[in-house]
Amino acid sequence: QVQLVESGGGVVQPGGSLRLSCAASGFTFSHYGMQWVRQAPGKGLVWVAFIRFDGSSSFYADSVKGRFTISRDNSNNTLHLQMDSLTPEDTALYYCAKEVEAFGTRDALDVWGRGTMVTVSS
Amino acid sequence: IQLTQSPSLLSASVGDRVTITCRASQGISVYLAWYQQKLGKAPKLVIYSTSILQSGVPSRFSGTGSGTEFTLTISSLQPEDFATYYCQQLNSYPLTFGGGTKVEI
Repeated sequence: QVQLVESGGGVVQPGGSLRLSCAASGFTFSHYGMQWVRQAPGKGLVWVAFIRFDGSSSFYADSVKGRFTISRDNSNNTLHLQMDSLTPEDTALYYCAKEVEAFGTRDALDVWGRGTMVTVSS
Repeated sequence: IQLTQSPSLLSASVGDRVTITCRASQGISVYLAWYQQKLGKAPKLVIYSTSILQSGVPSRFSGTGSGTEFTLTISSLQPEDFATYYCQQLNSYPLTFGGGTKVEI
């Protein structure tokens, strides 16, 4: 079945770095745009980043631009989020999600992982 | 683009017809999606492109709108519909979510 499994979360000190991964299975990963979305404890959803199906373009939320980098390895069906210069405001559950349509644009998210928790604290 | 959902909290009963509104700070054509999230679970896509029902979602859910004002309607609220609902605009980057509407008993 179609599945996304995030990993790489943990506790990190302010100013530190983490690299999240999202393993995809059950669909042709290289055909779909992917997004990261985060949710702080008890708060709403916040969009983080998007990467095109072929990795040729990416976009970021203003709050993470210049600090986070989204990438993908289509040969290994894996999505990544490199997070640098972390602050306590980055503390959240991070979800990866797949877009609805292959090679789509302006697409919603039809498959979500369970998320991986990132805690930034000294 | 900012998305404002209203109400933020909606108290309703089983069988009620409920409507949630999402207003965009600028026009987003029809590029709006709705998600349902239950406590401790990942969000679930309900509607995309304003009015297209995601596969497997009951037909009591419907979406309308265009430009800057959008609505999600549940025609007859069922016990499994009590959750938080979020809208997301997909018209332009950075993408954004609304603040959420909690539907409670």
